[in-house]
Order: sequence, then C-alpha cells, then structure tokens
Amino acid sequence: GQQLNQSPQSMFIQEGEDVSMNCTSSSIFNTWLWYKQDPGEGPVLLIALYKAGELTSNGRLTAQFGITRKDSFLNISASIPSDVGIYFCAGPYNNAGNMLTFGGGTRLMVKP
Amino acid sequence: EPEVTQTPSHQVTQMGQEVILRCVPISNHLYFYWYRQILGQKVEFLVSFYNNEISEKSEIFDDQFSVERPDGSNFTLKIRSTKLEDSAMYFCASSGLVPGELFFGEGSRLTVL
Repeated sequence: GQQLNQSPQSMFIQEGEDVSMNCTSSSIFNTWLWYKQDPGEGPVLLIALYKAGELTSNGRLTAQFGITRKDSFLNISASIPSDVGIYFCAGPYNNAGNMLTFGGGTRLMVKP
Repeated sequence: EPEVTQTPSHQVTQMGQEVILRCVPISNHLYFYWYRQILGQKVEFLVSFYNNEISEKSEIFDDQFSVERPDGSNFTLKIRSTKLEDSAMYFCASSGLVPGELFFGEGSRLTVL
C-alpha cells in the first residue's frame, strides 16, 4: 500500500517557538489531511488540502500541499503547551477518497 | 458541536471471546468507518460502510470481523473470536458530503488476555 513518511518523529521545543513538520510519499496524493491526536483520544482533523500548491491556515497552523503532490508541510507558530500531542498526516488511497493511510506521526512536546 | 461517540471506552476480554464495539456516528453523515491503532503504531484502516453495506475493507478485516448498522443511529464492529493481536484502540469515524474529511470518536480500547 501507499506509505506516508513523517519527519521528525518527535520534537521537544520551548513554548513560543515555531514548529515545522513534513510528510512525504513515493506516490501522488490528491488530498492531504493533517490530524492531531491527544493521549487517549481519537485523531482530530486540523486542516484538509485539495489542490497542489495550496496553502491553508487554521489559526496558528498553516499547511501546504506540495507542488509535486508527494509531500505536505505543517507549521505551528508560537507554540503553546496545549499543542502537545501527535500530529499525523493522512491521505486517501482509493478513488472515492475515503480510505485513509496515515503517516507514523510526529510527537510534539512543548516545554513551558 | 456534533461528535462521534463510542462505547465501551475500554474492554478486557479473554482470547476466543466475541466482542462488540459500538459507535454512534454524526447524525447527518453518510459514510462510516472503523480504524484501529495498535499501541505506539500508526492508525490503520479496517472498513468503510456506505448505503447499508461495506464499500471497502482492508486485508486486516478478515472473516473474524463484521460490521452492522442495526438501526438508524448505531454502527457496530464485531470480532467473532478475539486473538491476542486484536488488542488495540479501535476508532469509529464518519464523514459527510466530503468523504475524505473523517471525524473520529475517542476510541474503544480492547485488551485481549
């Protein structure tokens, strides 16, 4: 199946710092999704991207759909303690667009 | 805000026992899913359900698994005879007009002893 590779695997940053993480694939995706998972909870959709080159923001979060359609980036500006969690990229691998494959996640830890 | 709800939050069972995990998807959503996450690993697709039938399933979703929408609100996942390797967090999800934008429940943790 299609694999999504996320980097870095984990990050430990100081509150107030900006964060950048990315997701790459050997295959083309037509949609990129970014989810956040808090401990013991389900993934929560942060941003959805549908067009190559698209740049979309949601508050302090900004995500971009790479021009090659094989990568995506998520940036968090001015991190706060509640940004702690695991960030997953995901993309659909069927024509209907509803079977998602997830990346391995980036674990973010924020030091107050 | 509407949400997907799942019960139980945690179930412990003996190997070989049947387990039913329950979900109430968001009420106006059309597509329903089960995903699982083994501890420390990535989230994996199991099955999708649309128009009262399975639309897609992964290789994980073998004959031991089944899904049902017994009424207008519930969506269930049954594991007929649990194995140790079925221990995982099982997430129900639903989506509406944009099928790729999934909304997940908080999960049901299954522990098989």
